[in-house]
Amino acid sequence: GAVVSQHPSRVICKSGTSVKIECRSLDFQATTMFWYRQFPKQSLMLMATSNEGSKATYEQGVEKDKFLINHASLTLSTLTVTSAHPEDSSFYICSARDGTGRGGQETQYFGPGTRLLVL
Amino acid sequence: GQQLNQSPQSMFIQEGEDVSMNCTSSSIFNTWLWYKQDPGEGPVLLIALYKAGELTSNGRLTAQFGITRKDSFLNISASIPSDVGIYFCAGHPQGAQKLVFGQGTRLTINP
Repeated sequence: GAVVSQHPSRVICKSGTSVKIECRSLDFQATTMFWYRQFPKQSLMLMATSNEGSKATYEQGVEKDKFLINHASLTLSTLTVTSAHPEDSSFYICSARDGTGRGGQETQYFGPGTRLLVL
Repeated sequence: GQQLNQSPQSMFIQEGEDVSMNCTSSSIFNTWLWYKQDPGEGPVLLIALYKAGELTSNGRLTAQFGITRKDSFLNISASIPSDVGIYFCAGHPQGAQKLVFGQGTRLTINP
């Protein structure tokens, strides 16, 4: 299946610093990418939808000034956690939509995730 | 908002047994996707379903898109230790581009 990569896989940072996470679709072009957050033993929570060349759409309760999303190309989206605090520690997962699925249907492929720990 | 009810929440089985889990919704879905997530990893797509009534297999896995478009099931035959993990159903509600997830089914296998 399609491959989505994320970098870094794990990051530890001090409180107050900013952290950038990259998400790349390696073998397909993704006009739409998604950013999720997952807490232990819970399902994935959608944070925002990222469309190439336009502003991201954030879910209710997600601060757009804190979680900056840039989708500058069809294969790259970035999530920047600004002024990170310990409560931002979580598992962040990106997903890319492959629009070339069977019968025009679209399938989402997920990256391996980034574990963020803010001290 | 849209919700998917996934059951069971957890399963404890013996190696070699068959497994069945399902997802239901109160509204119509256009696609159903089944993912498996291992600890510390992102979800991996197992099976994608696009048409009501569609039955699709991937090795020992079989999934079906319910005829009412409001449910789907995933079966795993002859389970092996590497099947351990969390299985999520997900789907695109009619008219929506966002993927909705079930709560997950945690599968544990006793050797």
